[in-house]
Amino acid sequence: AQKVTQAQTEISVVEKEDVTLDCVYETRDTTYYLFWYKQPPSGELVFLIRRNSFDEQNEISGRYSWNFQKSTSSFNFTITASQVVDSAVYFCALSESNRISSRLTFGEGTQLTVNP
Amino acid sequence: GAGVSQTPSNKVTEKGKYVELRCDPISGHTALYWYRQSLGQGPEFLIYFQGTGAADDSGLPNDRFFAVRPEGSVSTLKIQRTERGDSAVYLCASSLMGRGETQYFGPGTRLLVL
Repeated sequence: AQKVTQAQTEISVVEKEDVTLDCVYETRDTTYYLFWYKQPPSGELVFLIRRNSFDEQNEISGRYSWNFQKSTSSFNFTITASQVVDSAVYFCALSESNRISSRLTFGEGTQLTVNP
Repeated sequence: GAGVSQTPSNKVTEKGKYVELRCDPISGHTALYWYRQSLGQGPEFLIYFQGTGAADDSGLPNDRFFAVRPEGSVSTLKIQRTERGDSAVYLCASSLMGRGETQYFGPGTRLLVL
C-alpha cells in the first residue's frame, strides 16, 4: 500500500529565511509520481510540481526547489528567502501507475507560517 | 481557461437529509476525482471517473455515498441520510487522461451536517 509521511506538522520561520519541508513515501511500484500542492487559507489546492520515479534530477523554479532521492524515498521541498505569502499548508502526494485510478495519496500536510 | 468549479461552496444540512454536490471539470479532461478533506488532514480519495464510468469507487466510505457523471463532464456526488461525521470539505479534481497526470483541484464544497 502506498503511504506518504510529512513528519513536520507545523513550521514557523521569519521572512527571508530558507525552509525545507520533508516528505517520505512508501510504495511497492517501480513507476510512480510525486506531487506537491499548496493550500493557502482560501482552501483551494494549488499544484506546484509533478515528478515521475525515473527522473531524479532536482528541480528549481524561482525560489522553490525540490530534492528527489529514491535511495531514501524522499521528495523534499525547499523555499528560499521565504515570504509572508508563502504561508500555507503544503501537501506531498503520491500516485502509483499500476492503479486503475492513479488516485493521489496525500500526507498530513505541513503548516508553514512565515512571519514578517 | 476556466478551472474546476464546484457548487455550492458551502452547504449546511440537518442529520438525515440528502445532499448533492456538483463538480464541473476543466473542459476536455476525461478523468475526474472526488476527495474528502477533514479538518487538519490531507485529502482522501473517494471515487474516480474515466469518461462516464466510475472506474474506481473503492474510496467511498459506505453505500450512503454515490456519484454520477452521466455525460462525461459534470459530476454529482450524492450523500443520503447524512451524518454529522460526513462534515468535511469535498474536493473535486480533474486531469486530462488520468494515469499519473497532474490533477487540478476545485475550490471545494464545505459540508456541515448539524
